[in-house]
Amino acid sequence: AQKITQTQPGMFVQEKEAVTLDCTYDTSDQSYGLFWYKQPSSGEMIFLIYQGSYDEQNATEGRYSLNFQKARKSANLVISASQLGDSAMYFCAMREGAGGGNKLTFGTGTQLKVEL
Amino acid sequence: SAVISQKPSRDICQRGTSLTIQCQVDSQVTMMFWYRQQPGQSLTLIATANQGSEATYESGFVIDKFPISRPNLTFSTLTVSNMSPEDSSIYLCSTDSNYGYTFGSGTRLTVV
Repeated sequence: AQKITQTQPGMFVQEKEAVTLDCTYDTSDQSYGLFWYKQPSSGEMIFLIYQGSYDEQNATEGRYSLNFQKARKSANLVISASQLGDSAMYFCAMREGAGGGNKLTFGTGTQLKVEL
Repeated sequence: SAVISQKPSRDICQRGTSLTIQCQVDSQVTMMFWYRQQPGQSLTLIATANQGSEATYESGFVIDKFPISRPNLTFSTLTVSNMSPEDSSIYLCSTDSNYGYTFGSGTRLTVV
């Protein structure tokens, strides 16, 4: 079974609108971390937001927020007030286990295009 | 969080040759991770490198094809050996901190 599932290969959003990128995960670990990364066409991986499995509040970082629904095993990324510069590939990833030294497992990504 | 300098940023190589990719971290880190991203695909972990021990390879990746060195806590290299066009990918190194994994800027490799 896939550990990280992103079901939206591509998404379009109008500038200044909000958009939700879906991510579901599968793990039997009690301690895990969920991450979202942005990858522009240049190829670099830009860290956006992190949610720990024990965090009770949804993570927020500026225009990014993570809608964490633990029982559903979903960790959707919400981008508010979309900008043209948000056009990129977005990856959801999971680290199983606590602390560092554990690998990230990535989903297949969602290509977001922001339109005027 | 750590900053990683990765080079080369891109290269075009002849089949049958090898390329070594370097990652320099601005602070000491325990683990380094090497990923491959084939065109239009997601990131796949090649191996995890801990200083002073042999790298741990994921299923489908072998040391003879992707030898890794980790001579100290700030540096690592990945070599792509005996390259074929199927090795054309972006290769990324990464390290972890408490909350965010930092990535190098990637090496875009084209094998002709």
